[in-house]
Amino acid sequence: GEDVEQSLFLSVREGDSSVINCTYTDSSSTYLYWYKQEPGAGLQLLTYIFSNMDMKQDQRLTVLLNKKDKHLSLRIADTQTGDSAIYFCAESRSGGGADGLTFGKGTHLIIQP
Amino acid sequence: DSGVTQTPKHLITATGQRVTLRCSPRSGDLSVYWYQQSLDQGLQFLIQYYNGEERAKGNILERFSAQQFPDLHSELNLSSLELGDSALYFCASSVGGTGLETQYFGPGTRLLVL
Repeated sequence: GEDVEQSLFLSVREGDSSVINCTYTDSSSTYLYWYKQEPGAGLQLLTYIFSNMDMKQDQRLTVLLNKKDKHLSLRIADTQTGDSAIYFCAESRSGGGADGLTFGKGTHLIIQP
Repeated sequence: DSGVTQTPKHLITATGQRVTLRCSPRSGDLSVYWYQQSLDQGLQFLIQYYNGEERAKGNILERFSAQQFPDLHSELNLSSLELGDSALYFCASSVGGTGLETQYFGPGTRLLVL
């Protein structure tokens, strides 16, 4: 199976909170990231969390990490039309060597007016 | 704007051909990573260079190669191109070489192989 899993789609109403979920399998993951990709654009780093943290808040964004269940979530408060994008969860692993990020397939966030 | 630049933005070529994609990292970053984004495979790590040396290899095909030059820019060479190589190719950079530092992505090069 995949190392990082995400739901493919999430639809929310404008003004509501969006919660995008991600599960990962590698317990040695050191950092977990959320990236945003708008249509035709590159990947924008939104936020990241170190694996010894449970929560991180950054303005409208809240990241929750449940290391026991290997579950990561991104909450976007007061979702706006500009938040419409694909959101990727990614992990980087420790182990003494360098490695690239392992990404989920991405969650398409659809905003309903 | 992440500070990572990639050229060209778009590339159209034919099967069997060879192309070179270029990436300039953010000022001060020593590591460059290459990723491929396709509809069926998603985002996959290809290769990483740190200060001119290859540091890590991911799912990179033998037909593909990369290098990092003394000025730290990097090139990804794709040869004997196949239809399935059509994808968005991203470059990312980070300060260090452990793979644990935050990676900043460029806008990508969209490759279409006909």
